[in-house]
Amino acid sequence: ETGVTQTPRHLVMGMTNKKSLKCEQHLGHNAMYWYKQSAKKPLELMFVYNFKEQTENNSVPSRFSPECPNSSHLFLHLHTLQPEDSALYLCASSQDRNSGGGKSYEQYFGPGTRLTVT
Amino acid sequence: AQKVTQAQTEISVVEKEDVTLDCVYETRDTTYYLFWYKQPPSGELVFLIRRNSFDEQNEISGRYSWNFQKSTSSFNFTITASQVVDSAVYFCALIETGANSKLTFGKGITLSVRP
Repeated sequence: ETGVTQTPRHLVMGMTNKKSLKCEQHLGHNAMYWYKQSAKKPLELMFVYNFKEQTENNSVPSRFSPECPNSSHLFLHLHTLQPEDSALYLCASSQDRNSGGGKSYEQYFGPGTRLTVT
Repeated sequence: AQKVTQAQTEISVVEKEDVTLDCVYETRDTTYYLFWYKQPPSGELVFLIRRNSFDEQNEISGRYSWNFQKSTSSFNFTITASQVVDSAVYFCALIETGANSKLTFGKGITLSVRP
């Protein structure tokens, strides 16, 4: 596979459920991101990982818990979500500017997980 | 602080028309990068172009062209002879090159191309 993949593509969960979103990048990048895209709102950056270390938590509620076991995989663990958390969750990757190798600033996105909280 | 403004929210054209999507940005940095992304109904954001602040040359790629003007802080995107497959949401974005800088997106422009 190439690029950035995300699973599942669609997810419906109740407010008491626990689920996880998965992202995998096949681009050799070392930075990964979670974004939330709600209807009629701009893209919201949630979390940033650089070299597996979390470098950004954009005031995200604790019911969202990220995990980055290595530079190619990123998870978003979900528990006790609210209906307003229903959105498209997008994962992205890029080559970090401090990698020592080539650097780029463009982010490559996965297809997203469409989450509905009932 | 950096900011990206896409004043147009929705544009509807008939196939084969030319259409220009506007993008105005604000930044205090002298070195920065500008981007355009396309988001078709499938949801994935597709990277279209990156332009750095030192390169004001316009770029053409097939039916797509970009006009970068630092004097007006604009980075406009033109689609020539639009096609139905161009229907999507288009985002302009900016990133500064300082440490821990973040990619800032505009609100997006929904383009509908009618047959």
